[in-house]
Amino acid sequence: GAVVSQHPSRVICKSGTSVKIECRSLDFQATTMFWYRQFPKQSLMLMATSNEGSKATYEQGVEKDKFLINHASLTLSTLTVTSAHPEDSSFYICSARGGMSTDTQYFGPGTRLTVL
Amino acid sequence: DAKTTQPPSMDCAEGRAANLPCNHSTISGNEYVYWYRQIHSQGPQYIIHGLKNNETNEMASLIITEDRKSSTLILPHATLRDTAVYYCIVRVSGGSQGNLIFGKGTKLSVKP
Repeated sequence: GAVVSQHPSRVICKSGTSVKIECRSLDFQATTMFWYRQFPKQSLMLMATSNEGSKATYEQGVEKDKFLINHASLTLSTLTVTSAHPEDSSFYICSARGGMSTDTQYFGPGTRLTVL
Repeated sequence: DAKTTQPPSMDCAEGRAANLPCNHSTISGNEYVYWYRQIHSQGPQYIIHGLKNNETNEMASLIITEDRKSSTLILPHATLRDTAVYYCIVRVSGGSQGNLIFGKGTKLSVKP
């Protein structure tokens, strides 16, 4: 299957700071990328969907000014958590769709964010 | 809300076949059935998907009933590394439609 990477895999930051997470499709061009969040013992919750060169579409209840998403190229999307608070601590997972099997979404390994 | 229903947990003996059921009684004609699994603290891994016909790949087989209201994922020879949460998801395929909406999945425990 296609490979999606995320960086960093783990980050610890102080409350009030901003954190940027990168998501890359390594061997295919991702026309659409997705960002999910997963709290402990819960399932994945879709936060937003982005198409290359367009503004992201956010799910209900997700603050677009707090979770900034940029999808500037067909292989890179970034999620910036602005003014992070302890309640933003979570497992953030990106996924990408495109390439040879255009309908299948492939997921990154996830980023564990801890806000102190 | 997820459109599928799965048992919350299942056990399977190592080396045996694991059969994971999924109900999707409200599936539409243009919706595919996708299966992913998530090993603890990792991103979900794509397993297989299908529309009407049974599908098989190197990881698993997918059996879809004729009325498409349910399906079964089969891991033919489960190993300890197959212990994970398995998600059955229905979504429209093609174009920009159909995001993956995750339910609670089935926690499969493969035991020695």
